[in-house]
Amino acid sequence: EDQVTQSPEALRLQEGESSSLNCSYTVSGLRGLFWYRQDPGKGPEFLFTLYSAGEEKEKERLKATLTKKESFLHITAPKPEDSATYLCAVQDSNSGYALNFGKGTSLLVTP
Amino acid sequence: NAGVTQTPKFQVLKTGQSMTLQCAQDMNHNSMYWYRQDPGMGLRLIYYSASEGTTDKGEVPNGYNVSRLNKREFSLRLESAAPSQTSVYFCASSFTGRAGNEQFFGPGTRLTVL
Repeated sequence: EDQVTQSPEALRLQEGESSSLNCSYTVSGLRGLFWYRQDPGKGPEFLFTLYSAGEEKEKERLKATLTKKESFLHITAPKPEDSATYLCAVQDSNSGYALNFGKGTSLLVTP
Repeated sequence: NAGVTQTPKFQVLKTGQSMTLQCAQDMNHNSMYWYRQDPGMGLRLIYYSASEGTTDKGEVPNGYNVSRLNKREFSLRLESAAPSQTSVYFCASSFTGRAGNEQFFGPGTRLTVL
């Protein structure tokens, strides 16, 4: 059973068309939820860490939110340079400090 | 400040050959990790090292060995490569003992086993 499920698998947006990516998770105790961005042929790039339900963090056009069962990555007025795969990962307090990743959402923003 | 570096960037092996993937970090992190990334599977943890001198198995350790050479370096060895080990390998590092200790990733090694 997957601990982390991301949806949709792929998303195509027009430039300026806001949307949200979802990350649902199941853990016994959440130590942290992480969002990464991955460009083709490169390693994941850290975006945000969220620790507890109700927490929100923002960076440019991205805003991450957290509830007890899921996290959303909101993208406001996206630009083509926001095209990438967005990865969600959780750190379970019963599993040390390893990260358990979802399969990612591939985002394409067209001009 | 280079962050996490990995060598080589690309490698092609024949079945049964051996090789070592190298990883180094200059962020003074305690913990280091090796992941593999396959299409449709996401990132999966192979081995990790919470501190110098310790290593532990992750989700998919079979066919691999690791060495934490010192605080900066963590290597991954394939003793007898198999086609199922064709993948992209990422090394990462982080501080240990902090809640939500974000991991920083290297650029990856793309390995093909024929």
